[in-house]
Amino acid sequence: AQSVAQPEDQVNVAEGNPLTVKCTYSVSGNPYLFWYVQYPNRGLQFLLKYITGDNLVKGSYGFEAEFNKSQTSFHLKKPSALVSDSALYFCAVSFKAAGNKLTFGGGTRVLVKP
Amino acid sequence: EPEVTQTPSHQVTQMGQEVILRCVPISNHLYFYWYRQILGQKVEFLVSFYNNEISEKSEIFDDQFSVERPDGSNFTLKIRSTKLEDSAMYFCASRKGDLSSHTDTQYFGPGTRLTVL
Repeated sequence: AQSVAQPEDQVNVAEGNPLTVKCTYSVSGNPYLFWYVQYPNRGLQFLLKYITGDNLVKGSYGFEAEFNKSQTSFHLKKPSALVSDSALYFCAVSFKAAGNKLTFGGGTRVLVKP
Repeated sequence: EPEVTQTPSHQVTQMGQEVILRCVPISNHLYFYWYRQILGQKVEFLVSFYNNEISEKSEIFDDQFSVERPDGSNFTLKIRSTKLEDSAMYFCASRKGDLSSHTDTQYFGPGTRLTVL
């Protein structure tokens, strides 16, 4: 069975500092990995995904994530956090980019302080 | 930019009543999904739907649940006899299905908060 872990319930960071949100996964085979963000009273918004190829994936709003197969990790990063990045971030895994269900981690709340 | 929409935003119902949650997926999308999130818990997959039939469902999606795409635009989730434990945020998602696109992914609606009393 596939599973996703986000070990931190909350991450606090000062505006302008680097932001990292951690994600590890447990699947058999080659996973497809995703990051979504949820702002209050909004749905889940797609940030980026890894399917194959370059381990460093660039996404929306200046976010990027690095796929590390040996560590089974897919950490989300942003070089310089903004207050507006404060939100709930979800890592997800799927076996196919097409058609298959997303299995989500528990979410990490990011609080960026001015 | 096209969005997935869901109605109502909040539904309150009595235990044992039937509810229908409505979603309008993005118009040229082919794959449709329902997920739910019980307060404080993970987002959980319920069901996926393609070509007018269920393609996959989870253990949560028992006989009390059904999905339908009645008119080519709406995608509905029906719970026949609601239980207290059905209280959750229900998210609809849709996906185009263009494997050649790096942005092909599931796009989520804002959710319907279901409260069963």
